[in-house]
Parts: sequence; C-alpha cells; structure tokens
Amino acid sequence: RKEVEQDPGPFNVPEGATVAFNCTYSNSASQSFFWYRQDCRKEPKLLMSVYSSGNEDGRFTAQLNRASQYISLLIRDSKLSDSATYLCVVIGGSYIPTFGRGTSLIVHP
Amino acid sequence: EAGVTQFPSHSVIEKGQTVTLRCDPISGHDNLYWYRRVMGKEIKFLLHFVKESKQDESGMPNNRFLAERTGGTYSTLKVQPAELEDSGVYFCASSTGSGTPSATQYFGPGTRLTVL
Repeated sequence: RKEVEQDPGPFNVPEGATVAFNCTYSNSASQSFFWYRQDCRKEPKLLMSVYSSGNEDGRFTAQLNRASQYISLLIRDSKLSDSATYLCVVIGGSYIPTFGRGTSLIVHP
Repeated sequence: EAGVTQFPSHSVIEKGQTVTLRCDPISGHDNLYWYRRVMGKEIKFLLHFVKESKQDESGMPNNRFLAERTGGTYSTLKVQPAELEDSGVYFCASSTGSGTPSATQYFGPGTRLTVL
C-alpha cells in the first residue's frame, strides 16, 4: 500500500461545480497535512495546510479525519483557473514530506 | 522578495556524464530540501539541509548523488556518473524555522534532467 494515495482523476467539471478530492495516508503517526497545487510544468505551490478542526479559505475547504486516515479538499464554485493538479502532502514523525501522485482537475466552460 | 531559484532549468546529458544542479533558497531560509519527480511517479524526498548540515539524506538514491550546502546558502546536487533512471525533474524547496513539519515549503521551478 502506498504511503499517500490519491485518485489521479482527471476530474472534469463545469464552471461553478463543487468538486471534492480525497487523500488517504498509511502512517497513523503522521503529524502535518497539506494540499499543494501544481500547474502544468510548474512547481508545486502551497494551497492550504489542513488542521484537525478543518479549515476554510474562500472557496476551498480542507478536512482531516485521523480515525480513517484521510484528508479531503472541497472546491466550491469552480473557476477555469482552478484547473491544475492537486497534491496531497503528509509529514510523519520523521519530518519527511510524502507526496501523493496528485489529482488532476479540469474545469471547463 | 525573490523566490527559490534553480539552475539550469533544463539539462540534457549522456549516460556516464556528470551534472551539477544548483538551488538558491529564499534569503534567510535555513531549511533547504531536494526532491525528485520521475515521470509518472510522485515527488520523492531526497534530502534536507538545516543551514549547512545534512539533517536527513535518507531519500538519496545511491552514492552517485552528492549534495552540498557550503556556507548554508545555496546548495548543489551533483550526479556522477549519471544513469538513464536519473532522468526527471529535480525540485528544491526552502522554509524558515527549525524544519518543523508545519513550516511552509516554497518550491523552485525545478530542473528537468534528461539522461540519454
């Protein structure tokens, strides 16, 4: 089983749609969780950290479920500019970041 | 404020040659990380510097890879001799603080290495 797993997609949604991604992790001792966004042939950029209580940043909501060992990202009112690959990053006790392979999102008009 | 920069952006070399990649972190960032993404796979951690010291190099594939960060500023990653499987995109990232998991990492644009 991979340490961090994501559905690669692509998720193909119309503008204005709500879309959710999940990411599961295998290490129960994981401490920190992040969602990064990566545009084609560009570097990853931090989208948001994921806190135990869940957190929201505008149209984006991140949640953590420690019992089931997954994190989620919800995007409301999708924009064309949201098209990108979304990377789940988990940091365990060793402080080494582990990346998922990414979920591709395509928002079409 | 300048971001993380990497040089070169692309490198095409033949198997057996040597290549040196450079990363300039954001000024003042003590933590510097190297990662690699092989085509079709996830980004993998290679190593972590805190200032000039290697904090963790458990992700380095083998002894053909040598990373340095003299003076605790920029870092180099040398591959010698390069093999076909070394092809991929090498990312560098930096962060503030003492390398705690919650510190935001800022990534450079990457160096795309192709070994023929």
